[in-house]
Amino acid sequence: DIRMTQSPSSLSASVGDRVTITCRASQRIRSYLNWFQQKPGKAPKLLIYSASTLQSGVPSRFSGSGSGTDFTLTISGLQPEDFATYYCQQSYSTPQTFGQGTQLAIK
Amino acid sequence: QMQLQESGPGLVKPSQTLSLTCTVSGVSISTGGYYWTWIRQLPGTGLEWIGYIYYTGSTFYNPSLESRLAMSVDTSENHFSLKLTSVTAADTAVYYCAGTKGGITPDYWGQGTLVTVSS
Repeated sequence: DIRMTQSPSSLSASVGDRVTITCRASQRIRSYLNWFQQKPGKAPKLLIYSASTLQSGVPSRFSGSGSGTDFTLTISGLQPEDFATYYCQQSYSTPQTFGQGTQLAIK
Repeated sequence: QMQLQESGPGLVKPSQTLSLTCTVSGVSISTGGYYWTWIRQLPGTGLEWIGYIYYTGSTFYNPSLESRLAMSVDTSENHFSLKLTSVTAADTAVYYCAGTKGGITPDYWGQGTLVTVSS
């Protein structure tokens, strides 16, 4: 299985900050990388697919980059509704696997 | 707009079979292009991909669960199903169904259903 490692596991930030979350794959996955946001009691919500394509309806302050093994999710100008847990997922091969998550909290 | 809704028992006894159904609305499950997916979230931990099924019946399972797993699709009822046999407490989780576009982009999710394995 391809192992996905996110860092940091948690971080705190303030409204208006720019934050970056990284995701590393244990082997090359080209651009088969998705990013999700999850709030308590809710299903994950797709933010970014194919490493850098913004899902319809997702604010443009979210952006993704990377290919191969190293990927980043950036949120520019944090809003109160952005405080949540973020997951990366590789869809290059089955079983598809997720990172362990990054909890983004208000400072 | 596609919508998915999980249904099934919220409590299953150890060694029994967990059975869930995901009803799809807004699109025909046999249209093609989507792989019908099950994902679970173990308590306090992350997400685990269980597997998916295409409308033709082709399946792709997580090897860690494959020996206990069966998925099926019912195009007449526009739903797909999951059966997990010989469950233990370790199978207690929130189970999500999802539609994965092209097999690579899970862009539609159900709300999730908590299944507890306990006697």
